[in-house]
Amino acid sequence: NAGVTQTPKFQVLKTGQSMTLQCAQDMNHNSMYWYRQDPGMGLRLIYYSASEGTTDKGEVPNGYNVSRLNKREFSLRLESAAPSQTSVYFCASSVVRGREQYFGPGTRLTVT
Amino acid sequence: GQQLNQSPQSMFIQEGEDVSMNCTSSSIFNTWLWYKQDPGEGPVLLIALYKAGELTSNGRLTAQFGITRKDSFLNISASIPSDVGIYFCAGQLGGGSNYKLTFGKGTLLTVNP
Repeated sequence: NAGVTQTPKFQVLKTGQSMTLQCAQDMNHNSMYWYRQDPGMGLRLIYYSASEGTTDKGEVPNGYNVSRLNKREFSLRLESAAPSQTSVYFCASSVVRGREQYFGPGTRLTVT
Repeated sequence: GQQLNQSPQSMFIQEGEDVSMNCTSSSIFNTWLWYKQDPGEGPVLLIALYKAGELTSNGRLTAQFGITRKDSFLNISASIPSDVGIYFCAGQLGGGSNYKLTFGKGTLLTVNP
């Protein structure tokens, strides 16, 4: 039981490049989330998926898109990376919305 | 929007000492969560609280859901070096679309052996 897994662990992009961050959970959770963590800002919600087939914007969605591929997988896409998107990205899941969330190990992204 | 004030921002203690940290909010929450984050890792859930006044322990950790629903406390007894890390509180109102977590900015704990 791996919990929440994320790939890649590290990534460096040039401004304007695109990439997709992958997240998968094996806990049969219905809800999944994407956060970014920046120094002094704490964890901020980018997008979430309350259940398979639904996605909604969080606090800081601009510049990102998401896909809930199936119940297990929730991906985050940067279409045209900007230096302001340099951050650590965490995926999380919960059995249903409103319950405690479990986090993955994170993806450290640098945009130059 | 909802904001959480977590204090202290940092603590430097000697091994064996007890630690207390807290979070307060201007709004009520129906859920309080406490997480620990080690360097280079994701947050790990320590304790979840779902009822006002609830007191829950997990080993040397004890957390309480404040009776006003606007605060929560985390205590660590007899600290050890592996307690080093950043501790985050998170609150959730719940119901309808109000189930997003609001995080505090963390308490950095350093334990001197």
